Amino acid sequence: RKEVEQDPGPFNVPEGATVAFNCTYSNSASQSFFWYRQDCRKEPKLLMSVYSSGNEDGRFTAQLNRASQYISLLIRDSKLSDSATYLCVVKTGGYNKLIFGAGTRLAVHP
Amino acid sequence: GAVVSQHPSRVICKSGTSVKIECRSLDFQATTMFWYRQFPKQSLMLMATSNEGSKATYEQGVEKDKFLINHASLTLSTLTVTSAHPEDSSFYICSASGGPNQPQHFGDGTRLSIL
Repeated sequence: RKEVEQDPGPFNVPEGATVAFNCTYSNSASQSFFWYRQDCRKEPKLLMSVYSSGNEDGRFTAQLNRASQYISLLIRDSKLSDSATYLCVVKTGGYNKLIFGAGTRLAVHP
Repeated sequence: GAVVSQHPSRVICKSGTSVKIECRSLDFQATTMFWYRQFPKQSLMLMATSNEGSKATYEQGVEKDKFLINHASLTLSTLTVTSAHPEDSSFYICSASGGPNQPQHFGDGTRLSIL
C-alpha cells in the first residue's frame, strides 16, 4: 500500500465550479500535512499547510481528519489558472522527510 | 522568499556519461538538502537526504554508488549520476531546508535525458 494515496483524476471542470480532492495516508505517526501544486514539467510549489482545525486561504480550504487519516482540499470558483496537478504531502520522521502522493490532475475549462 | 537554484535545468547526453547536478540555497543556510526523482505521471520519490558535512542517507532501492551526493557546504549540494543509462532519464529535483522544523524550498528541477 502506498504511503500517500490520491485519486489521479483528471478532474475536468468548468470555470466557476467547486472541486474537492481527497487523500489518505497510512502512517499514523505522520506529523505535518501539506498540499502542493505542480505545473507541467515544473517543480512543486507549496499551496498550503493542513490542520485539524481546517485552513482557508481565499478560494482554497484544506482539512485534516487524523482519526481517519484523511486530508482534503476544496477549491471554490475555479479559475483557468488553477489547472495543475495537486500533490498531497505528508511529513514524517525526525529528518523533515516529505512523502508525496502521485497527485490529482485538475483541468479547468472555459 | 527563500530561493534554491538548481543547475543545469536540462541535460541530454550519451549513455555511459556521468552527469553532475548542483543545488544551491541562495539566501539561507541549508543544513539539510533532499534529492528527489520524478518519472512521468508519477509522484516525487525521495532518493536521499544529505546533511552538511556528513554522508547522505539513501532511501531503500537507491544505489549510493550510482547516485553520488556531496554536501560540502551550507549552500551547496551536488548529485552525480555516474555512468548514466536511458533508464536514469527522469526529472531530478532538489530541496533545501534550514532545519528540522523549517519548510523545504525546491529548486527548479533538472530534466535528464540519456540517449
